[in-house]
Amino acid sequence: AQRVTQPEKLLSVFKGAPVELKCNYSYSGSPELFWYVQYSRQRLQLLLRHISRESIKGFTADLNKGETSFHLKKPFAQEEDSAMYYCALRDTGFQKLVFGTGTRLLVSP
Amino acid sequence: EAGVAQSPRYKIIEKRQSVAFWCNPISGHATLYWYQQILGQGPKLLIQFQNNGVVDDSQLPKDRFSAERLKGVDSTLKIQPAKLEDSAVYLCASSSWASGGLDEQYFGPGTRLTVT
Repeated sequence: AQRVTQPEKLLSVFKGAPVELKCNYSYSGSPELFWYVQYSRQRLQLLLRHISRESIKGFTADLNKGETSFHLKKPFAQEEDSAMYYCALRDTGFQKLVFGTGTRLLVSP
Repeated sequence: EAGVAQSPRYKIIEKRQSVAFWCNPISGHATLYWYQQILGQGPKLLIQFQNNGVVDDSQLPKDRFSAERLKGVDSTLKIQPAKLEDSAVYLCASSSWASGGLDEQYFGPGTRLTVT
């Protein structure tokens, strides 16, 4: 069965500190992995996807098939990064998304 | 472009009552999704439409939930009768097809349902 695990409900850091939001997945095939973000009072929106291999707002995520992980990283956190972050997996069949439980990132000044 | 629209934004009902939610996807998006997000959890897919056909409804509690997308555009999700455990945010999303599969999903603002 497909499963996405985000072990941390809350991650609190100071501005300028490095950030790593953990995501592990289980999937028998070749998955597509995504990070979605929801800022306060805004809609859930796509942050980045592993196939793009790009950095968005300073965030990067590398798919590690050996460890079945897709951790989200940023070297220097900003206060505006405070939000709810969801890791998601898309199966290649029906193309549906399976979400993790989310991690709330709080960046303090 | 206009985003995904949902109404109502908030709804409070008593258990055993019925409720309906409406979604208008982004123009031209053939695929529409309904998700249920219970407090403290990630969104869970209830049903996925491709135009007006159902692609996946494996997690839809069919004894009380129903959804339709008659003309392949707007969609409604209904709960009848509601239970306390149906209290959640109901999200609608839409996407289009791109080379290699479905493009990213765009989410609506959600409807927060409270069942008392």
